[in-house]
Amino acid sequence: KQEVTQIPAALSVPEGENLVLNCSFTDSAIYNLQWFRQDPGKGLTSLLLIQSSQREQTSGRLNASLDKSSGRSTLYIAASQPGDSATYLCAVRPGTNQAGTALIFGKGTTLSVSS
Amino acid sequence: DTEVTQTPKHLVMGMTNKKSLKCEQHMGHRAMYWYKQKAKKPPELMFVYSYEKLSINESVPSRFSPECPNSSLLNLHLHALQPEDSALYLCASSLEDVGVLSPQHFGDGTRLSIL
Repeated sequence: KQEVTQIPAALSVPEGENLVLNCSFTDSAIYNLQWFRQDPGKGLTSLLLIQSSQREQTSGRLNASLDKSSGRSTLYIAASQPGDSATYLCAVRPGTNQAGTALIFGKGTTLSVSS
Repeated sequence: DTEVTQTPKHLVMGMTNKKSLKCEQHMGHRAMYWYKQKAKKPPELMFVYSYEKLSINESVPSRFSPECPNSSLLNLHLHALQPEDSALYLCASSLEDVGVLSPQHFGDGTRLSIL
């Protein structure tokens, strides 16, 4: 059974720091991996999607990497800002091209960036 | 702004009430999902509709009844809920063509409280 783990569970940093969030999964047979952001009481905002054949994706100050063979992904946030404070969730899609396959989520990393 | 719209945003109901949650998307997505999220926990899959047919039911109690009237709409009918059903209910959709999977897009959720 696929399990997704995120470390650390919580992280507090001063503004301007570069930081790395970690995600690991037990079964390397994934179709893709998606990073989300969730603000308190809100829905999920998709940040980056990495297909299983890709190594990394970048969007603005965010960079996500994927090492499928070792079951790891990292989300790198450059020059953190107070507005980055949120919970970041990693989710994998099991390795099938069947339509309507659901995501398996980690428990998230709650990030707090102080000004 | 999310492209998946959920209504209502908040719902308070008694255990004997009948209510419905609604989800709508106009992105031409053919897969739609219901997830349940308890406080400080990751989303957990409830149902998946693929091409307007129920493809996955994750052993959800019958007091939750999904419905997909057309490719743009997804409902979740609620009846005789229990206090432990209080949670954030998230709807998601993805494009899903044969052999081509795509990111899941989430709505802002409905915050449900059972009295």
